[in-house]
Amino acid sequence: GENVEQHPSTLSVQEGDSAVIKCTYSDSASNYFPWYKQELGKRPQLIIDIRSNVGEKKDQRIAVTLNKTAKHFSLHITETQPEDSAVYFCAAGYSSASKIIFGSGTRLSIRP
Amino acid sequence: GAVVSQHPSWVICKSGTSVKIECRSLDFQATTMFWYRQFPKQSLMLMATSNEGSKATYEQGVEKDKFLINHASLTLSTLTVTSAHPEDSSFYICSARDPGNEQFFGPGTRLTVL
Repeated sequence: GENVEQHPSTLSVQEGDSAVIKCTYSDSASNYFPWYKQELGKRPQLIIDIRSNVGEKKDQRIAVTLNKTAKHFSLHITETQPEDSAVYFCAAGYSSASKIIFGSGTRLSIRP
Repeated sequence: GAVVSQHPSWVICKSGTSVKIECRSLDFQATTMFWYRQFPKQSLMLMATSNEGSKATYEQGVEKDKFLINHASLTLSTLTVTSAHPEDSSFYICSARDPGNEQFFGPGTRLTVL
C-alpha cells in the first residue's frame, strides 16, 4: 500500500520568511496530492492540492510542486504570517475520491 | 462548501463499554465515507472506508470486530468502538465524499476511555 513520508517534523521560521515542507510517496499509481492545515483540536482543512498531470500549482502565498519521477512533492509558503502557525499534513491517493494516506505532519511555528 | 458533522464531539466512557460515533453529511449524499483515528501529536491514520449499503473495507491492522462501521443511509455512517479500553482513547475523524468526488472532513470526536 501507499506510504507517505514527510519532513521536517517541526519547522520554525521568522515571520515574513518562506517555509518549505517536503513529502515522498511510494505508490507510483497515486495521482492526487492534497495538503491540509490542522489547528489544535480542529478538523484538517484542505489548503491546496495537485494532480499528477500538473507539475506546479500556486494559490496566493501557497504553492505546491510535484515530481512524479522522483515521487516527491513539496509545499511552499511565502511571506509567512503568525496565522500560518499550525500542523501541516501532506497526503497521497489515487484520486480525490479515493482513500488518501497522510504523512506524519509538520508543526510550523512562525516567530514574530 | 459541503458540511460534515460528527456526534458526539466528545465522549468519556468506562472501560469495557461500547461507544457509537455518528458522521453525517448535512447537505449532500455521500456513498463513501472514511474513518480516521488521530492520537495526540500524531498523524491521521485511515481505519476504514465506509460504503453505503455494503460492508466497510478495513485497513491492515484494524480490527473489524472491534470497530464496527455501519453506513445505512447516504447521509450517515456510524463507528462503534466495542469493549473500549484506555488505549482506544483518541480523536476519531470522518470524511465524506460528495458527488463531485471531493472529500470533506467532520470536526472529529474525542473519545476518552477511563
